[in-house]
Amino acid sequence: AQSVTQLGSHVSVSEGALVLLRCNYSSSVPPYLFWYVQYPNQGLQLLLKYTTGATLVKGINGFEAEFKKSETSFHLTKPSAHMSDAAEYFCAVSDLAGGSEKLVFGKGTKLTVNP
Amino acid sequence: DSGVTQTPKHLITATGQRVTLRCSPRSGDLSVYWYQQSLDQGLQFLIQYYNGEERAKGNILERFSAQQFPDLHSELNLSSLELGDSALYFCASSVSVGNYGYTFGSGTRLTVV
Repeated sequence: AQSVTQLGSHVSVSEGALVLLRCNYSSSVPPYLFWYVQYPNQGLQLLLKYTTGATLVKGINGFEAEFKKSETSFHLTKPSAHMSDAAEYFCAVSDLAGGSEKLVFGKGTKLTVNP
Repeated sequence: DSGVTQTPKHLITATGQRVTLRCSPRSGDLSVYWYQQSLDQGLQFLIQYYNGEERAKGNILERFSAQQFPDLHSELNLSSLELGDSALYFCASSVSVGNYGYTFGSGTRLTVV
């Protein structure tokens, strides 16, 4: 079964600094990988996804992630943090067993951006 | 607005009671998924429906049930509620050809007292 580990439940950066949120996955088949963002009192919004093809994936709001099969990682980065990036971020892997399209989520990383 | 509508937004009820959460998927989406988000368990997949049929089941308790109607809206029924059922319940929808990520609603926050 697929699983996701997000390293660091809380990450704090200064405005303008690099954002790096770590995600490692476990999957017995080629994975589909996703990053979602959740702002307070809101649902989850898809930031970006990797299915096949180019391993560097660009998403919304200046975020990108790189699929590294050898490291089983899918870390999320943004060159320069903005105050509006403060939110909780979830990495997810697709579990296609039995024809389901369910997602297996990590525990989440809460990003704080300091002025 | 994501296009996925969940009602009600908040629900407070007593232990032992039964509640129904409603979800209207994005226009054109045939698949509906239910997830539970709690502090201790995180985001857990409950159940998926595709065009009215149950397609996959996750960690859904026997006290919980769901269905998807011909107009594609879905309802999640929670009965014999316990304090531990307090959580955010999310509905998501997708076209459901492969999995290219789906669209979440804003959730129903259930508080059991």
